[in-house]
Amino acid sequence: EVQLVESGGGLVQPGGSLRLSCAASGFTFSSYEMNWVRQAPGKGLEWVSYISSSGSTIYYADSVKGRFTISRDNAKNSLYLQMNSLRAEDTAVYYCARVGMRGDFDYWGQGTLVTVSS
Amino acid sequence: SYVLTQPPSVSVAPGQTARITCGGNNIGSKSVHWYQQKPGQAPVLVVYDDSDRPSGIPERFSGSNSGNTATLTISRVEAGDEADYYCQVWDSSSDHYVFGTGTKVTVL
Repeated sequence: EVQLVESGGGLVQPGGSLRLSCAASGFTFSSYEMNWVRQAPGKGLEWVSYISSSGSTIYYADSVKGRFTISRDNAKNSLYLQMNSLRAEDTAVYYCARVGMRGDFDYWGQGTLVTVSS
Repeated sequence: SYVLTQPPSVSVAPGQTARITCGGNNIGSKSVHWYQQKPGQAPVLVVYDDSDRPSGIPERFSGSNSGNTATLTISRVEAGDEADYYCQVWDSSSDHYVFGTGTKVTVL
């Protein structure tokens, strides 16, 4: 069974940093592209970042470029999101999602809440 | 940047058909995916590549895509279909994934 489990969320002050993790199991993690998607309270889904299966190709949404860094450790079956210079508008539930065969997001984690507030 | 526009809400009686549109410039040339999200839960893929269904998704869910509009159709709507629905594409011109604005489906 495919499982994605996020962790690392919490309360952080504006300007602070946080590192999210996504532990993958039930599939060959190193063969799949991955993404981070977030959802602010009461709002819609917003794509955050993409990483290829090898980690060689990375993309970011304009809203986080230069502040967030996506990475992966295929030996540990883990995906990461390093978030720096956090702002109030980064407050959201952050999901990791696997990319399926047709560019869809076929499996999602349950999400981890990040709250940026003083 | 590429924009996907959905109606904020759609209301439908049980047993009837709900149609949710997703508008985007020449979206018919892209592969469109649809997600269902119930309150407090992660999104679930219900249609991929315009009109295919993942295993476990009822045949009542179908999709189409042409011109500037993609459509998710839910036939014989049930109370359990009440949720938010999002369309999504890959925009190759910006190397960005894009989600639609989302549609809340209410079952009357």
